[in-house]
Amino acid sequence: GAVVSQHPSWVICKSGTSVKIECRSLDFQATTMFWYRQFPKQSLMLMATSNEGSKATYEQGVEKDKFLINHASLTLSTLTVTSAHPEDSSFYICSARETTNYGYTFGSGTRLTVV
Amino acid sequence: KQEVTQIPAALSVPEGENLVLNCSFTDSAIYNLQWFRQDPGKGLTSLLLIQSSQREQTSGRLNASLDKSSGRSTLYIAASQPGDSATYLCAVNTDYKLSFGAGTTVTVRA
Repeated sequence: GAVVSQHPSWVICKSGTSVKIECRSLDFQATTMFWYRQFPKQSLMLMATSNEGSKATYEQGVEKDKFLINHASLTLSTLTVTSAHPEDSSFYICSARETTNYGYTFGSGTRLTVV
Repeated sequence: KQEVTQIPAALSVPEGENLVLNCSFTDSAIYNLQWFRQDPGKGLTSLLLIQSSQREQTSGRLNASLDKSSGRSTLYIAASQPGDSATYLCAVNTDYKLSFGAGTTVTVRA
């Protein structure tokens, strides 16, 4: 089945630095990928839709200058958390939509801790 | 805006008992509905995908039903095992965006 690889699985960074998270579709092409954020014991919140070759579409309330998304190829989307602060600490998960059955496959997630 | 509700929020059963997890949604104009499993600190694993034209899907001990007109889906897990302990999420695809319920956390006691 479809596989989405997400790296790193966890990262600790200092406040004020930037962190990049990668999301790759391994065995299919994904023109659209999605980035979610999950707080402890809560469900997933869609942050943005990443479109290959064009600008990402951000959900209301998500700062596009803080969460930079790049989808430069059909198999790779990246999320960069810029000037990270402790309140950005969270679990970030990406997903990609399969074109065959329109189901969604998720990466394994990235635990970001900003100290 | 699509609202997805999952009941119960938590469930604890002895091994071997059947599990029934419920999901309801407010907008019936959906493309499909997907059930996921999430283990602590991990990503989501897809369990079953039901297209809007389907009534149910089955995979091994798992069976999911969909009643689009009433905005409901139910996930049945037969003969539960301790390895089934996880959080189960229902996600509804509307306009090619997923809306998630808060999940049902299942504990299967050995």
